[in-house]
Amino acid sequence: DGGITQSPKYLFRKEGQNVTLSCEQNLNHDAMYWYRQDPGQGLRLIYYSQIVNDFQKGDIAEGYSVSREKKESFPLTVTSAQKNPTAFYLCASSIGPPLSTYEQYFGPGTRLTVT
Amino acid sequence: KNQVEQSPQSLIILEGKNCTLQCNYTVSPFSNLRWYKQDTGRGPVSLTIMTFSENTKSNGRYTATLDADTKQSSLHITASQLSDSASYICVVSGIPQGGSEKLVFGKGTKLTVNP
Repeated sequence: DGGITQSPKYLFRKEGQNVTLSCEQNLNHDAMYWYRQDPGQGLRLIYYSQIVNDFQKGDIAEGYSVSREKKESFPLTVTSAQKNPTAFYLCASSIGPPLSTYEQYFGPGTRLTVT
Repeated sequence: KNQVEQSPQSLIILEGKNCTLQCNYTVSPFSNLRWYKQDTGRGPVSLTIMTFSENTKSNGRYTATLDADTKQSSLHITASQLSDSASYICVVSGIPQGGSEKLVFGKGTKLTVNP
C-alpha cells in the first residue's frame, strides 16, 4: 500500500519544547515538502527538498528545521523559536522537481497543539 | 496580499444539485493551476492540474475550466453527493511579484452538501 504517512495524528507539547513531526513516503518520490495550514488561511510552504541531503527554505522557515538523510523520510522539527507553533502540518511529495507540473501527494497531516 | 482569491468562502447545497466554485488569480507569469479537495482533518487530494494551454479538464463529476486571459478558473461539480462535502483549494504555480517560482494556495471554499 503506497503513500505518505505522518505521525502522530495529534501532538501536544508545552511551550518551550522542541518537537519533531515524522513524514515517510514509499512512492519513490525525489521531492518532499512541509506545509503549515492555519484556519482561514491558504497552505504555506515551510521547507522543501529535491534530493537527499538537500533542502531549501520556503516562505515561513523561521523556527523550523528539517533533515533529509533518506529518500523516504523528511522529518520536521518545530523549535521553541517558532512563535505560533499550533497548527495543522502537512507533508507532501512529488516524483519530479518541486514547483513543476508534477502532482503533489499529501499525507494525512499532524495537528500540533502547544500550550 | 493573497494572489489567489476563491469565492464563495462557503457554500451549502442540497444533494443532487450542481455548483460552481470560482478562483481568480494575479500570479504572473503563470505555469499551471490545480484544484484540490480537502476533507476536514485530512490532507488535500488532487482533482485536476491544468497548464495555460488547457481550458477545460474533467475528473468524473468534477470539471475545471481555465481562462488564462482573464486569470479565472472555475470548478463545477455535477450531481453533488454527500461525500463532496469538503474544502476545495485552488493552487496556482507561477512567479508572483518577481520572486522565484512557487505554488500559491487559495484559502479554499468550504462546500457542505445536505441530504
